[in-house]
Amino acid sequence: EDQVTQSPEALRLQEGESSSLNCSYTVSGLRGLFWYRQDPGKGPEFLFTLYSAGEEKEKERLKATLTKKESFLHITAPKPEDSATYLCAVLGSYNTDKLIFGTGTRLQVFP
Amino acid sequence: SAVISQKPSRDICQRGTSLTIQCQVDSQVTMMFWYRQQPGQSLTLIATANQGSEATYESGFVIDKFPISRPNLTFSTLTVSNMSPEDSSIYLCSVPTESTDTQYFGPGTRLTVL
Repeated sequence: EDQVTQSPEALRLQEGESSSLNCSYTVSGLRGLFWYRQDPGKGPEFLFTLYSAGEEKEKERLKATLTKKESFLHITAPKPEDSATYLCAVLGSYNTDKLIFGTGTRLQVFP
Repeated sequence: SAVISQKPSRDICQRGTSLTIQCQVDSQVTMMFWYRQQPGQSLTLIATANQGSEATYESGFVIDKFPISRPNLTFSTLTVSNMSPEDSSIYLCSVPTESTDTQYFGPGTRLTVL
């Protein structure tokens, strides 16, 4: 069964304090791994898609990496506006277009 | 990326009533997805809505409770029927891109059932 586990559940950082969020996954034939940002009461906002081990993508202070078992979302010198819940999801070969989501990491960045 | 809108953005309903949520996309898409996000939890797929055919429901979700319409390639509705407080959630629609597997989400409908 396809599964996604995210850690930590919550993370509190001081502004400028870099850290990483983890997404461990089990899937039959990975078609893609996705990172989303979700602000309270809003829909998920797409950040990155990763397709194969070794792939990396960057956007401003965020960098996503992928191995065969997990993905990391690195946040460099975060700002208070980076505070949100970060969701990881996978798409497997045998579940057609069904995204399997983790429960997310709630990030709070304090000035 | 597609621009997706949902109506209503939020609603408070009495138990036993039904609510229909609309999802509008600014481009034609073959598939649209409906998700539920219960308080403090992550997203769970309810069903896939294809134009011109019956929706495909995930395990644990049934058509009588969550009927879906897909009248054209830019629009879909999800009805939450005979609501109970356990149906209080955010309901989200999403669409995939044509060239990648990435799904884009609408802003969501926050439903509270009293």
